[in-house]
Amino acid sequence: ILNVEQSPQSLHVQEGDSTNFTCSFPSSNFYALHWYRWETAKSPEALFVMTLNGDEKKKGRISATLNTKEGYSYLYIKGSQPEDSATYLCAFPSLSSNTGKLIFGQGTTLQVKP
Amino acid sequence: NAGVTQTPKFQVLKTGQSMTLQCAQDMNHEYMSWYRQDPGMGLRLIHYSVGAGITDQGEVPNGYNVSRSTTEDFPLRLLSAAPSQTSVYFCASSYSFFERAYNEQFFGPGTRLTVL
Repeated sequence: ILNVEQSPQSLHVQEGDSTNFTCSFPSSNFYALHWYRWETAKSPEALFVMTLNGDEKKKGRISATLNTKEGYSYLYIKGSQPEDSATYLCAFPSLSSNTGKLIFGQGTTLQVKP
Repeated sequence: NAGVTQTPKFQVLKTGQSMTLQCAQDMNHEYMSWYRQDPGMGLRLIHYSVGAGITDQGEVPNGYNVSRSTTEDFPLRLLSAAPSQTSVYFCASSYSFFERAYNEQFFGPGTRLTVL
C-alpha cells in the first residue's frame, strides 16, 4: 500500500504571512507528483504536475519544489491572502502496465485570516 | 466545453435503496475515476476506467459498480445503499491513459449523498 503523507494537517496564518507545507511520497517508481487546490464547496483544481528531480514550478504567489530522491515536495505561498484559504492536496500516480491510480494525501487545510 | 459534469448534486436515500450517480465529460478523456471524500480521509479512489469497456477497482470498491460503455460516460451505481456510503462523490477525468501520470485530473462539481 502506497502512502502519501501531508503535513501539517491544518494551518492558520495571518494575511501577509508566507507559509509552506510538505508532501511525502514513495521515492521508488516515481513518475510524477501532482498538487491540487480545493476550495470549500468547489472541486479540486490542478496547480502543478511535477516530474523532474529539482523541479520548481510557480503560479503567482504559489510555488512548489520536488525532491524525488528523498521523496518529498514543498508547496510555498508567499504573502498569503484570504483567497488562498483552501485545502491543498498532493497526489502520487501508482502505475503498472495496464492500470493507473492517483493516490491522494489527506491534504493541508490553510486558513488565512484578514 | 462543459468539462466534467455530475448529476445529481444532492441525493438522500434510504438504507437498501439503489441509485446511479451520473458522470460525463466532453473532453475526449480516456481516463475517468470516481472518488469519495470523507472528513479526515482525503479523497479515496472507488473505481476507475482507462478507456471504454475497461474498468478496475480502486481502494474502496465494495458496494459500488461501474461501467464504461462510451468514452464520455462513467456512471457509478450503488447497489444497496448503506449509511457508511454517506459521503461526497467526485468524478474526475484526465487526457491519456498512456501519459496518465503526467496529466492533471479534471474534477466534476461533486454529488453529496446522504443515506438514512
